[in-house]
Amino acid sequence: GNSVTQMEGPVTLSEEAFLTINCTYTATGYPSLFWYVQYPGEGLQLLLKATKADDKGSNKGFEATYRKETTSFHLEKGSVQVSDSAVYFCALSGSARQLTFGSGTQLTVLP
Amino acid sequence: GAGVSQSPRYKVAKRGQDVALRCDPISGHVSLFWYQQALGQGPEFLTYFQNEAQLDKSGLPSDRFFAERPEGSVSTLKIQRTQQEDSAVYLCASSSPGQRANYGYTFGSGTRLTVV
Repeated sequence: GNSVTQMEGPVTLSEEAFLTINCTYTATGYPSLFWYVQYPGEGLQLLLKATKADDKGSNKGFEATYRKETTSFHLEKGSVQVSDSAVYFCALSGSARQLTFGSGTQLTVLP
Repeated sequence: GAGVSQSPRYKVAKRGQDVALRCDPISGHVSLFWYQQALGQGPEFLTYFQNEAQLDKSGLPSDRFFAERPEGSVSTLKIQRTQQEDSAVYLCASSSPGQRANYGYTFGSGTRLTVV
């Protein structure tokens, strides 16, 4: 079946540092890939997505590239802010309609 | 409505009690999903509706869990004889008729269920 493996957390960075959160997946066929973000006390919000190999999703300075050869979709941001502190989830959608999520990575950005 | 609305926001239930969790999807959204998110984990799929039809309930953990969407809009997730392991955040998500799965969904803020 489908599965998503995410970088273990928590991750603590200083403001303006470079962020990478690793995500790899296992799926049959050609899944769509997503990053969701969950701010404290709030629901999941779609951060970015990619629907086919070599696509790059981007939003709010975050980027992730769909790498079929390495089955990866790593999240990056060049300069994090305190307001980026949240839990980040990598997810995929395969032939079934539902999403399969990773376990989440807690990011804390210190001023 | 403007977003997916879930109620109650928090629910404390005594072990053995029945609970009902409500989801109001975005108006016109055909697809509706329920997920269970245990503490420190990612959400896990429970069940999926397209309009009033429950097309997939493979993620429901036991026959104590039941979901319905009788008129194709509001959905209720019912848990009978709650157990401590049912303690989790229950998330509802919906998507519009024109959206395929690869466009992502809109999630509600969830209901945090604590079984004591």
